[in-house]
Amino acid sequence: QKEVEQDPGPLSVPEGAIVSLNCTYSNSAFQYFMWYRQYSRKGPELLMYTYSSGNKEDGRFTAQVDKSSKYISLFIRDSQPSDSATYLCAMTLATNYDKVIFGPGTSLSVIP
Amino acid sequence: NAGVMQNPRHLVRRRGQEARLRCSPMKGHSHVYWYRQLPEEGLKFMVYLQKENIIDESGMPKERFSAEFPKEGPSILRIQQVVRGDSAAYFCATSGGDSYEQYFGPGTRLTVT
Repeated sequence: QKEVEQDPGPLSVPEGAIVSLNCTYSNSAFQYFMWYRQYSRKGPELLMYTYSSGNKEDGRFTAQVDKSSKYISLFIRDSQPSDSATYLCAMTLATNYDKVIFGPGTSLSVIP
Repeated sequence: NAGVMQNPRHLVRRRGQEARLRCSPMKGHSHVYWYRQLPEEGLKFMVYLQKENIIDESGMPKERFSAEFPKEGPSILRIQQVVRGDSAAYFCATSGGDSYEQYFGPGTRLTVT
């Protein structure tokens, strides 16, 4: 079983839709959870991060962590064509946060 | 320049040649991480370095790959005697060491012919 799993997509939605992106993980010791966005042929950029369980909102983006289910989500409201990218979930331990484990990424296309 | 820099952006090598990839950290960052990304796969950790020290190289192939981060100058990922399977995008990320937040460079796309 891989440490972090993510549906690779591709996911295609119309502009304005609500997008839900998800990851599952196997190591219950992960404490920091992140979402990165990667545009084609670019480096990943950090979008959001959360510590332990709960929700965090930033504009149109909401990150959700359910540690009991080992499941994290990223919601995008009012999706825009500029949101078209690959979204990578990532996580790390509280004791060794230098080693970040990435999911394989979900490719998202928002159609105008 | 506020960001992480990588060069070259594209590198073509023939089988058996050496590839050298460079990464200049963001200002104030002293921790460097190298990752490899293959199509349809996620980022795979290769090595973590601080100035003049390799901290964790658990993701590095045992042969042909090496990395350094000298006291002066950029971090270098070196691949000797490249093979076609080394073709990938190589990203470096840097951090200040007091946070899990890593900032990525634009990547070097290596093609082995």
